[in-house]
Amino acid sequence: DQQVKQNSPSLSVQEGRISILNCDYTNSMFDYFLWYKKYPAEGPTFLISISSIKDKNEDGRFTVFLNKSAKHLSLHIVPSQPGDSAVYFCAASRYSGGGADGLTFGKGTHLIIQP
Amino acid sequence: EAQVTQNPRYLITVTGKKLTVTCSQNMNHEYMSWYRQDPGLGLRQIYYSMNVEVTDKGDVPEGYKVSRKEKRNFPLILESPSPNQTSLYFCASSARDSYGYTFGSGTRLTVV
Repeated sequence: DQQVKQNSPSLSVQEGRISILNCDYTNSMFDYFLWYKKYPAEGPTFLISISSIKDKNEDGRFTVFLNKSAKHLSLHIVPSQPGDSAVYFCAASRYSGGGADGLTFGKGTHLIIQP
Repeated sequence: EAQVTQNPRYLITVTGKKLTVTCSQNMNHEYMSWYRQDPGLGLRQIYYSMNVEVTDKGDVPEGYKVSRKEKRNFPLILESPSPNQTSLYFCASSARDSYGYTFGSGTRLTVV
């Protein structure tokens, strides 16, 4: 039973436009959410995160929104750039004090930025 | 440079031949985890460790063993590898009270 779901395996966006990646979760115990970015032949790298007590977190071109009642979060990238083409993983943790037991990941969304 | 180092990067082995994938981090992190990545399945946790001598099963632990005798090292052991363990493996570490896991570059394992 998948607890973190990314229902879009791929997404194609034109350069300069907004990219919106979605993620849903089922476990109400999840307390902290993260987005990781992964290029081929590399390990995932941390992008941005949000605590369950917030509904928005911003870092430069990246914004994560959390709708706790809907168990839904999204990552917005504005404006999209060619270097943003990668696989994006949504992840969640149950512990509020840190990811002691690791993270639960979704299946990933392959974002393709077209020139 | 702060990093998580996995070895080897690539490995082809035969069914039943015991192997170990090493993982070492130089950031003095308490938390460490192993994941496997498979097409269409994303990243799934195999084992995790909260500190030295403290390990526990993740979502897909069958066929794997781990140990955490030192803080910096967290090897993944396949006692009798099978073809369904062909996968891309990632080790990751994080500081106490942090969620920001740092990942290694991965080990691509093929079991024939």
